[in-house]
Amino acid sequence: GAVVSQHPSRVICKSGTSVKIECRSLDFQATTMFWYRQFPKQSLMLMATSNEGSKATYEQGVEKDKFLINHASLTLSTLTVTSAHPEDSSFYICSARLGGPNQPQHFGDGTRLSIL
Amino acid sequence: AQSVTQPDIHITVSEGASLELRCNYSYGATPYLFWYVQSPGQGLQLLLKYFSGDTLVQGIKGFEAEFKRSQSSFNLRKPSVHWSDAAEYFCAVGAGPSGSARQLTFGSGTQLTVLP
Repeated sequence: GAVVSQHPSRVICKSGTSVKIECRSLDFQATTMFWYRQFPKQSLMLMATSNEGSKATYEQGVEKDKFLINHASLTLSTLTVTSAHPEDSSFYICSARLGGPNQPQHFGDGTRLSIL
Repeated sequence: AQSVTQPDIHITVSEGASLELRCNYSYGATPYLFWYVQSPGQGLQLLLKYFSGDTLVQGIKGFEAEFKRSQSSFNLRKPSVHWSDAAEYFCAVGAGPSGSARQLTFGSGTQLTVLP
């Protein structure tokens, strides 16, 4: 149980394009989803917390106009990297939480984004 | 603010040997502690969690961890390592006001190499 699917697993695109990443909780409803960014050989850095039906809460230093998050249903959150540039290349991972704030997060397999 | 320290960046053990990965946390209240494992290019899998109660927690794949409040530690152990255990291991603390979207703060990770 508690499976989180993230799509696509890998994206390569030209600078200036926008890229959408989907995060789905397959067998449970997630009131809260999280988006992380991970640089090579580093830990996960929380970008934003997404609650269904409300605006996402962004961490300090994360541009909300650059990284658009939509959490339209209890099983789907999307992250759109707008007008992507090479410095946005990274590994993006989503997670979803089943139940209350003390429950563990369940992670997707990540999306490798490469901007040329 | 909470923080997590994983003192060992890289650990190498022989297959069949015992393993202990160290984790120290800093948090003013009772922490919620997690260990996750990440294989290359993939998301994170939950190994085990501690919320309260018995300080020795059993997880999946034969892992266990012991919460020691006096030492602010939550070390991960396995009595006999298998080659498939080679991966990156992250300790995390869940913290935040009760009822909020409790967030995870991750340690920097420990890379485990298993020698045949």
